Amino acid sequence: AQTVTQSQPEMSVQEAETVTLSCTYDTSESDYYLFWYKQPPSRQMILVIRQEAYKQQNATENRFSVNFQKAAKSFSLKISDSQLGDAAMYFCAYRSPTLDGNKLVFGAGTILRVKS
Amino acid sequence: DAGVTQSPTHLIKTRGQQVTLRCSPKSGHDTVSWYQQALGQGPQFIFQYYEEEERQRGNFPDRFSGHQFPNYSSELNVNALLLGDSALYLCASSFLQGAYTDNEQFFGPGTRLTVL
Repeated sequence: AQTVTQSQPEMSVQEAETVTLSCTYDTSESDYYLFWYKQPPSRQMILVIRQEAYKQQNATENRFSVNFQKAAKSFSLKISDSQLGDAAMYFCAYRSPTLDGNKLVFGAGTILRVKS
Repeated sequence: DAGVTQSPTHLIKTRGQQVTLRCSPKSGHDTVSWYQQALGQGPQFIFQYYEEEERQRGNFPDRFSGHQFPNYSSELNVNALLLGDSALYLCASSFLQGAYTDNEQFFGPGTRLTVL
């Protein structure tokens, strides 16, 4: 069974600065999908960025980028130019590409606080 | 285009009671997944419905059951409620295109269940 570990329960960043959230995972599959989700106090889970394991290039979405290290099974999220609206709980998640594995496996989450 | 909707928003029940939560998927989606998110933790997969059948199930007891209707909407039923069932219940919908495709899951705002 796949597992996802987020070792940082809480992180803080100054507005306009850069912060990196860590995530490691364990799997025996060679192809899979990785995600970072944001969950603000409104509770709505919002997809921030996704990475396909077969793609060597790191995904980027505006101020959000990932550092995907397949051999190390590491998938960190970098937020540049942090904004107050980035404050939320962030979850790293894994999904198998198979039909039977079409479910998300989440880490425990990291609370991100943004200071003005 | 309406996203994923869930009802009710909040619910308070007492131990031993039964509860039904409802989910309407995003337009065009045919698959519904349910997740339980305890306070301060990451979501845990309960089960997934496709073509009105339970396709896969997480590590949850038989007290948790579900249903999918011909219009793809879904219900989550929990019998004999325990204090530990208090959580945010998230519904996610997707379009099951097939294996090795990006069946992105879109989340609803959740139902907060409190068991007293």
